[in-house]
Amino acid sequence: AQTVTQSQPEMSVQEAETVTLSCTYDTSESDYYLFWYKQPPSRQMILVIRQEAYKQQNATENRFSVNFQKAAKSFSLKISDSQLGDAAMYFCACAGAQKLVFGQGTRLTINP
Amino acid sequence: DAGVTQSPTHLIKTRGQHVTLRCSPISGHKSVSWYQQVLGQGPQFIFQYYEKEERGRGNFPDRFSARQFPNYSSELNVNALLLGDSALYLCASSLLPPTGIGNTIYFGEGSWLTVV
Repeated sequence: AQTVTQSQPEMSVQEAETVTLSCTYDTSESDYYLFWYKQPPSRQMILVIRQEAYKQQNATENRFSVNFQKAAKSFSLKISDSQLGDAAMYFCACAGAQKLVFGQGTRLTINP
Repeated sequence: DAGVTQSPTHLIKTRGQHVTLRCSPISGHKSVSWYQQVLGQGPQFIFQYYEKEERGRGNFPDRFSARQFPNYSSELNVNALLLGDSALYLCASSLLPPTGIGNTIYFGEGSWLTVV
């Protein structure tokens, strides 16, 4: 079984500053991936970043990076130089053999 | 290249009716999964299909069924609709099953179902 927990229902940050969204997970599978998805008001789920569990190096995608702590089962997302377009719901997800399991989401607000 | 396409985008049904939702994966992708997202929650897994075979099923009643066609498109069917079935239904497409090496999972824009 897999569970994903996002303990921050809402976060806010000033434009151009850095924010970190937290995520912890639990899985019994030895082979898994972790994802962060962004869901704007349009509701389309947009892939932000992906991390393979077997890789120790943290994934980065431009202003987005993760802090993957496998032993602690922690997978946080750091957004640098926050922009107004980053405002959205952010979901952490764990992919096992059959499915993605999502957290409850964190609503990120960007203050101009 | 086209992304994951879903139809219809919005629909309203009456309790007890039947609904069919459709999904076309990204060209070349062989895995399609379906998720239900109720307002204010994260998506919940319903089905996963790979190479036209059911590879996984979530904790949903038998009123929910799905299939994958030879061209890898998929349908989600829901019978005897209940008010609680009102949700955004998301289709996800990937080249491989979820943990395939190098796999990335992409979502369509979803089908909004309202049951009245």
